[in-house]
Amino acid sequence: AQKITQTQPGMFVQEKEAVTLDCTYDTSDQSYGLFWYKQPSSGEMIFLIYQGSYDEQNATEGRYSLNFQKARKSANLVISASQLGDSAMYFCAMSPTLMNRDDKIIFGKGTRLHILP
Amino acid sequence: ETGVTQTPRHLVMGMTNKKSLKCEQHLGHNAMYWYKQSAKKPLELMFVYNFKEQTENNSVPSRFSPECPNSSHLFLHLHTLQPEDSALYLCASSQVLAVPKIFGPGTRLTVL
Repeated sequence: AQKITQTQPGMFVQEKEAVTLDCTYDTSDQSYGLFWYKQPSSGEMIFLIYQGSYDEQNATEGRYSLNFQKARKSANLVISASQLGDSAMYFCAMSPTLMNRDDKIIFGKGTRLHILP
Repeated sequence: ETGVTQTPRHLVMGMTNKKSLKCEQHLGHNAMYWYKQSAKKPLELMFVYNFKEQTENNSVPSRFSPECPNSSHLFLHLHTLQPEDSALYLCASSQVLAVPKIFGPGTRLTVL
């Protein structure tokens, strides 16, 4: 069965420091995608970054990068130079990428990140 | 502006009430989703529509009834809910099935 594990329920980080949010996954699929979403207190889920299982390079989007270690089944999110606005709940998620399957994305339980001034 | 709008943002209802949640997107996406987010639990997929056709019903009780009249609108009709149904209900859409990327702000539902 597929599973996403986020072991850090909460984190406190000083502003301007880098942050690493942990995510490990379990799947028997050969082809899959990994995602990170941000959910501020307002409720909406904001897509941050995507990594395909066959992508050789780690994905980067601005201050966000995904540290993809396939052998360890790890997909940690790294936020560089954290800002107060980064305080939110962060969800790691995984989805098969076979387009002929009506499969669903599965989410971890999330990590609540608090950026301290 | 997220591109996916949901109304109402907050809803309080009794167990005998009937209400509907509305989701709307004008992003040209073909797939739309309903998710339930309960406290301290992972996001749970409820329903998936692709080109207005329901492709997934993730063992959701019949007191939740989805409707997708066109590719831009998705409804979740609620009736005789239970207090444990109180949660944040999120709508999402994507260009391609199985990869939701754009979420709405959610409807915070409280069942008394």
